[in-house]
Amino acid sequence: SQQGEEDPQALSIQEGENATMNCSYKTSINNLQWYRQNSGRGLVHLILIRSNEREKHSGRLRVTLDTSKKSSSLLITASRAADTASYFCATVSMDTGRRALTFGSGTRLQVQP
Amino acid sequence: NAGVTQTPKFQVLKTGQSMTLQCAQDMNHEYMSWYRQDPGMGLRLIHYSVGAGITDQGEVPNGYNVSRSTTEDFPLRLLSAAPSQTSVYFCASSYGTAYNEKLFFGSGTQLSVL
Repeated sequence: SQQGEEDPQALSIQEGENATMNCSYKTSINNLQWYRQNSGRGLVHLILIRSNEREKHSGRLRVTLDTSKKSSSLLITASRAADTASYFCATVSMDTGRRALTFGSGTRLQVQP
Repeated sequence: NAGVTQTPKFQVLKTGQSMTLQCAQDMNHEYMSWYRQDPGMGLRLIHYSVGAGITDQGEVPNGYNVSRSTTEDFPLRLLSAAPSQTSVYFCASSYGTAYNEKLFFGSGTQLSVL
């Protein structure tokens, strides 16, 4: 079963608008990471937020983490056509003992020029 | 600096054939892992390794074998391919364990089993 689940599954916006994606997870975590995947390519790391952090910024990206609700959000501001991709959250569960990232099923973002 | 290199990029197999997907990294990363991605889905962990000589199973290990004889290489073996193994396979590595480090991904191997 997936540890993280993204919402929505798909999102279509106009260039210049903001895009918000949400991630919910099930168990205690050490950190939560967001990745981007362009069509037919490997995943690229975007940002890592630790369990004791509530918000983190990187360029046009803003990530929040609410450990009490077991949820995170990724905000992309002033979106561009080049932001069109799938976005995945990933966590390492502290409950399973497995030292590996578990990925959600992703949000497919389409930015219309 | 090549990063994570996967070969081949594409492969077609017949049911029952065996093959090895190659993964190599030149970043001196201790941690390496294999994932599969099916259409419209996220990645599922097959096997991972926290260092040379150490491997462990992920979520979907059945039908796959791995070994880690060197820090650089982490091959994935399909002993008897099945149509259910049709997927895109990604290798990923990181400097430390997955607890605190980001993963670097290869470009993937698209495998079709007929």
